[in-house]
Amino acid sequence: QSALTQPASVSGSPGQSITISCTGTSSDIGTYNVVSWYQQHPGKAPKLIIYEGSERPSGVSSRFSGSRSGNTASLTISGLEAGDEADYYCCAYAGSYTLVFGGGTKLTV
Amino acid sequence: EVQLVQSGAEVKKPGESLKISCKGYAQTFTTYWIGWVRQMPGKGLEWVGVIYPGDSDTRYSPSFQGQVTISVDKSISTAYLQLNTLKASDSAVYFCVTPSSGTYFAAMAFDLWGQGTMVTVSS
Repeated sequence: QSALTQPASVSGSPGQSITISCTGTSSDIGTYNVVSWYQQHPGKAPKLIIYEGSERPSGVSSRFSGSRSGNTASLTISGLEAGDEADYYCCAYAGSYTLVFGGGTKLTV
Repeated sequence: EVQLVQSGAEVKKPGESLKISCKGYAQTFTTYWIGWVRQMPGKGLEWVGVIYPGDSDTRYSPSFQGQVTISVDKSISTAYLQLNTLKASDSAVYFCVTPSSGTYFAAMAFDLWGQGTMVTVSS
């Protein structure tokens, strides 16, 4: 069970949009399409920002959106703000109540 | 207020064992899965495993099978993660997680996180 593949880092300027990819396999993203995304600021616990691939929890900005194509899920953040600078992790269901995380992407704004 | 509160930081020697706790303050504590996530220093998140408090059904990530034991005491709404024969590589922050609703439960998404327990293993 390998970790999902994410770019190590992405960057953007305030107001711009960025997309973070998360590539899995036919055993996780490709089969179950149960993908969530977490945002983690330094020294803090992660925060759920996307679930079921594209749904946002209450209170999460609409600037965050998720999508999937085949074995790859994506997180897009539009209208970048300084507070978006954080680490982002994708997470996919891999069957038998097992989850697999991506390696994480550091977003620099 | 719905929250998960974990036990405090621990410093252990190699070869020792450790049991960290996660207490839930919600009526839903025994309704949904309680999971554990590891984060080694400067590294990413890793799925350790999950337990269903209702019947103590437990599932482990293959990477952690045999290395840790997850348990729960429903009577005090507390889940545990036991680390055996500690090694320096077990040094990490361990988070407990749980969904706050059936929607997140069905999506295997966790919106409630404990504050994390830092474990340091050093001789």
